[in-house]
Amino acid sequence: DAKTTQPDSMESTEGETVHLPCSHATISGNEYIYWYRQVPLQGPEYVTHGLQQNTTNSMAFLAIASDRKSSTLILTHVSLRDAAVYHCILRVAVRDSGGSNYKLTFGKGTLLTVTP
Amino acid sequence: NAGVIQTPRHKVTGKGQEATLWCEPISGHSAVFWYRQTIVQGLEFLTYFRNQAPIDDSGMPKERFSAQMPNQSHSTLKIQSTQPQDSAVYLCASRWTGASQNTLYFGAGTRLSVL
Repeated sequence: DAKTTQPDSMESTEGETVHLPCSHATISGNEYIYWYRQVPLQGPEYVTHGLQQNTTNSMAFLAIASDRKSSTLILTHVSLRDAAVYHCILRVAVRDSGGSNYKLTFGKGTLLTVTP
Repeated sequence: NAGVIQTPRHKVTGKGQEATLWCEPISGHSAVFWYRQTIVQGLEFLTYFRNQAPIDDSGMPKERFSAQMPNQSHSTLKIQSTQPQDSAVYLCASRWTGASQNTLYFGAGTRLSVL
């Protein structure tokens, strides 16, 4: 299974910019990097994904290293609502009889704590 | 769009009893996934269906666990003779198929407690 390494926890204060690191040293050339986040009593929620280029959306900015062995999820102006476990995942392509498909293999993620 | 719906939200069973968990995927989604989440193991893939057909059940325990998708609007995960170690949050997720980068949408999960 594809592997990622993330710190167990990080802390921040409201209004700050947070950089959540993820290491994926054995990533394959066709594997996408996905980020999901999860708050208590809810399922994971999609944040963003990328292959090689940096990407940005309303939730976050994803910076991918040029060698793709690491990535950083950047959250600007964090609020209390951003407190969650953030999962960095590699999309593993699985080919089945009906064509390509995939499943996501989750790690433990990083618990982001945000204080007022 | 109500998202992925899972029922019940919390189920309590006695050791040895059967538990059936229900999932209603988002309308139009043809791929359905089941995951199990515990403090110790984190999120573990169990199985997935594509167009109602079972595609990959490599994460399912070989005994007592079974999953079905009788129609495109719901899937069930059944655990026979539940054991305390089956206690976990069971998450269902769905997505479209056909495109290469489809987002997985998760339900809120069913918390199973085996006493």
